[in-house]
Amino acid sequence: GAGVSQTPSNKVTEKGKYVELRCDPISGHTALYWYRQSLGQGPEFLIYFQGTGAADDSGLPNDRFFAVRPEGSVSTLKIQRTERGDSAVYLCASSLNSAGELFFGEGSRLTVL
Amino acid sequence: QKEVEQNSGPLSVPEGAIASLNCTYSDRGSQSFFWYRQYSGKSPELIMFIYSNGDKEDGRFTAQLNKASQYVSLLIRDSQPSDSATYLCAVKTGFQKLVFGTGTRLLVSP
Repeated sequence: GAGVSQTPSNKVTEKGKYVELRCDPISGHTALYWYRQSLGQGPEFLIYFQGTGAADDSGLPNDRFFAVRPEGSVSTLKIQRTERGDSAVYLCASSLNSAGELFFGEGSRLTVL
Repeated sequence: QKEVEQNSGPLSVPEGAIASLNCTYSDRGSQSFFWYRQYSGKSPELIMFIYSNGDKEDGRFTAQLNKASQYVSLLIRDSQPSDSATYLCAVKTGFQKLVFGTGTRLLVSP
């Protein structure tokens, strides 16, 4: 595709529910990053994939958060038992390789009621 | 200590002035440094990157890097109201993780 695509753009859910956020990176980009951004804050690193494997998942806040990239392209961020504190914009970015410029999607805004 | 630190601002400058945005980082092994601009409600977009000590110029923007002081700055010359945004400093650590600061909000008044 022309850019990084994220779906859904907005997600409202209730506390305790499970959500999935999808990221479709730029074609050919091997590196994929997930960030979380709260109001007034910079993007907070969650996880970075190089190909199919998670090269660094040190930013995942707890075991309720999990991400996969089974074929080295599309990635899904999964959040179990959502909490109100999970409300934020979840940003996905991709780059040609681990050293390259990151291109961001428009984000998925998650609201947990 | 945060990995990347920025003053949250807002930094207010009049149109036509030079805006100076600053950032410090903690990981001495960092090799790559980036400035992103983020308009309200939008995703970050890359303005400049710098790898070597010294200055790098691109149009009205100049990035400055001092690795000994672990300091990165962005100068915007002839500031325009359309430059009003949050500017995010980002540092790529030795493990290829890109870490962002909290951003500095810039307001350019006509």
